[in-house]
Amino acid sequence: TQLLEQSPQFLSIQEGENLTVYCNSSSVFSSLQWYRQEPGEGPVLLVTVVTGGEVKKLKRLTFQFGDARKDSSLHITAAQPGDTGLYLCRGTSYGKLTFGQGTILTVHP
Amino acid sequence: ETGVTQSPTHLIKTRGQQVTLRCSSQSGHNTVSWYQQALGQGPQFIFQYYREEENGRGNFPPRFSGLQFPNYSSELNVNALELDDSALYLCASGTLIAEFFGPGTRLTVL
Repeated sequence: TQLLEQSPQFLSIQEGENLTVYCNSSSVFSSLQWYRQEPGEGPVLLVTVVTGGEVKKLKRLTFQFGDARKDSSLHITAAQPGDTGLYLCRGTSYGKLTFGQGTILTVHP
Repeated sequence: ETGVTQSPTHLIKTRGQQVTLRCSSQSGHNTVSWYQQALGQGPQFIFQYYREEENGRGNFPPRFSGLQFPNYSSELNVNALELDDSALYLCASGTLIAEFFGPGTRLTVL
């Protein structure tokens, strides 16, 4: 069974603060995606990383894939209330798609 | 807009019944995956179809089955419904690299 451990589970911060969400596994993934989900809606794809050591930036969001392709992080700079939501990582390995448990982020004005 | 639609949006069934959920994606998407998401949890992978054949399966019993059709649509069938099957069912389609999610079907089993 592949496990994708996501942490922290909950994050409550003030507007303007920085934060990092982590996804770790003992399995190697061929690709990893980060999603953001609002209540009552399906997850929205933020980024896909496929190469070990890869770093991708999307405005204030920075995504990193570990060198061994077993872990990933999402860093948000100067968080805004609009960043509030459920953040999910998903790894793909040998036809199995595994989601992390999710991080519920709340950014207070 | 992801171009992925699901129907129905909500559904109520009773224990023991069978249900079919539908997903429609866009041209060029050769994969479709189905997930079960309980309230407050991350989605759990049910299975993925790639070019109309099952490409991977999660830890769900055989009463969960699916089909992918050539017209970029897909079905998730669940037989002998149990109370614990109540959840949001998500369809995602795209390629083996990245998939895009539909809005989900909320299934309630009474």
